[in-house]
Amino acid sequence: DAGVIQSPRHEVTEMGQEVTLRCKPISGHDYLFWYRQTMMRGLELLIYFNNNVPIDDSGMPEDRFSAKMPNASFSTLKIQPSEPRDSAVYFCASSLPGQVFNQPQHFGDGTRLSIL
Amino acid sequence: GENVEQHPSTLSVQEGDSAVIKCTYSDSASNYFPWYKQELGKGPQLIIDIRSNVGEKKDQRIAVTLNKTAKHFSLHITETQPEDSAVYFCAAPFYGQNFVFGPGTRLSVLP
Repeated sequence: DAGVIQSPRHEVTEMGQEVTLRCKPISGHDYLFWYRQTMMRGLELLIYFNNNVPIDDSGMPEDRFSAKMPNASFSTLKIQPSEPRDSAVYFCASSLPGQVFNQPQHFGDGTRLSIL
Repeated sequence: GENVEQHPSTLSVQEGDSAVIKCTYSDSASNYFPWYKQELGKGPQLIIDIRSNVGEKKDQRIAVTLNKTAKHFSLHITETQPEDSAVYFCAAPFYGQNFVFGPGTRLSVLP
């Protein structure tokens, strides 16, 4: 079975540029999560969707961050404009229908983002 | 507030020995406790989880124990092997609105 697929795996760009990260969840999963991982703050939940609808975006650090889920098989996380402190590994995860935080989440292999 | 503590932050064991990692959480209403393993360059992968209606769960060399009264749960790995070397994360839900990960434990299994 295909797992959660993220692209690109690595992104290096200059400060001020727009960055778009992409995620394809596991088929049949109706929850999708975006996380950020840094040495200082660990793994942080940024936003999650249920059936393509954003449910909680309270973890999104600033208005420069936005996320969309136009259909059940695709989501994007966009940073505009990007700043060096946005450098991190961004993970997408998905899970089956049910109680949202009471079941396993399946993670992709992440996008390592470097903002110069 | 939302808090998950994890100890130790690093752990080195000899191959064949056991490893134990402990997590404490603050929300007494939490009822699902997973453990994830993260290898270099990969995303976290679930290795075992436990729900609050049981005290222990085992899967081959891996087990998780839960003490709801004390609000802590532990990961036990027996007969460790070099491929067990990774970073391990615990996590817990908070108030049904968030999912908080512990800071991680870097386990090194020495041959």
